[in-house]
Amino acid sequence: AQTVTQSQPEMSVQEAETVTLSCTYDTSENNYYLFWYKQPPSRQMILVIRQEAYKQQNATENRFSVNFQKAAKSFSLKISDSQLGDTAMYFCPLTGANSKLTFGKGITLSVRP
Amino acid sequence: DTGVSQNPRHKITKRGQNVTFRCDPISEHNRLYWYRQTLGQGPEFLTYFQNEAQLEKSRLLSDRFSAERPKGSFSTLEIQRTEQGDSAMYLCASSSPLGAGELFFGEGSRLTVL
Repeated sequence: AQTVTQSQPEMSVQEAETVTLSCTYDTSENNYYLFWYKQPPSRQMILVIRQEAYKQQNATENRFSVNFQKAAKSFSLKISDSQLGDTAMYFCPLTGANSKLTFGKGITLSVRP
Repeated sequence: DTGVSQNPRHKITKRGQNVTFRCDPISEHNRLYWYRQTLGQGPEFLTYFQNEAQLEKSRLLSDRFSAERPKGSFSTLEIQRTEQGDSAMYLCASSSPLGAGELFFGEGSRLTVL
């Protein structure tokens, strides 16, 4: 069975500053993907960034980067130069062989002007 | 629009009534997933299809829930004899066999059971 834990229910950051969202997970799979998805209020969930577990290099996508610590089963998301549009709920699901995503409870990020 | 489409977007029903939701995935995606999300929580897996075959069902999916994907294209999720606890957002997602595990989500169908 796979589990995802997001222990911080809410975070707040000032516009233009940097924030890090934490995530830990557990899986028995050897090959898996980790994701960060963003769900803005009343809008659909969209992919922010993806990390293949077999890759040691941390994924980066513009202002978004991850810190993937495989041994510790930790997968945090760093958002640089936070923007008002980053306000959303963030999830860090992981997937195994059948591409089924297992989600945690998510974290609500508020960006203050 | 070539994204995942869900209908209806909102449904209000009385307890005991049946409801059906439809999901149209991205056309070349052979995998289709249903999730349920309650307010402030993460999505919970319900079931998934590969083409027309339903390959996995969660224990969350009681006998009142049934999902179909008859021709391997669109899917329906029916809830019979709705209960107030069924009130939630029902999310559909699809994925490509050539992709890197990414799921593409629809905007969801919100169910309110009075």
